[in-house]
Amino acid sequence: GAVVSQHPSRVICKSGTSVKIECRSLDFQATTMFWYRQFPKKSLMLMATSNEGSKATYEQGVEKDKFLINHASLTLSTLTVTSAHPEDSSFYICSARKTPSGAGETQYFGPGTRLLVL
Amino acid sequence: QKEVEQNSGPLSVPEGAIASLNCTYSDRGSQSFFWYRQYSGKSPELIMSIYSNGDKEDGRFTAQLNKASQYVSLLIRDSQPSDSATYLCAVKFEDTGRRALTFGSGTRLQVQP
Repeated sequence: GAVVSQHPSRVICKSGTSVKIECRSLDFQATTMFWYRQFPKKSLMLMATSNEGSKATYEQGVEKDKFLINHASLTLSTLTVTSAHPEDSSFYICSARKTPSGAGETQYFGPGTRLLVL
Repeated sequence: QKEVEQNSGPLSVPEGAIASLNCTYSDRGSQSFFWYRQYSGKSPELIMSIYSNGDKEDGRFTAQLNKASQYVSLLIRDSQPSDSATYLCAVKFEDTGRRALTFGSGTRLQVQP
């Protein structure tokens, strides 16, 4: 397997503030990381694909100026929720793409960050 | 549009039985398939990956892939209450150049003690 960490695991903030979430691949290098959002009892929704050293690719309907993504190294991607509002409250999960030798590639998920905006 | 379809469930099985979870996908050219397990309030955890037609076994789990029929399934033998979770099927669609996996909406499994 592979280990992906996220920090913080839980955050409560006031409306209008910005929140930064970190995603790290601990035992492998990840040129690509993904950010998902999941609302209660709903499936994962891909927000953006984070590429090391280049701009992130955002899914349709996701505001790139509101959800800032930086992938500055092969082991770290950050998601900043700017000017957070209560409707941004959700479970944010990152995953890192590991490309082993041979067939296939796999995404490993971080433990998630639960964001509550008051 | 590339799609991954799963029955939302809940699928309820008694302890010790075989649970069978199914998934269909829309892109015939897909090559990589994954099953993830997600407990309530937690992030998904990889259970199995499968790339070739046929069966792949890992402990109590068996993944089955049939590319001609465009379905992939997961069998859980000797189901335990701790297997109760939502199981997500994920497919990598090859022809779009898209790196992200496409997830189904998940099937909720309930194993009754």
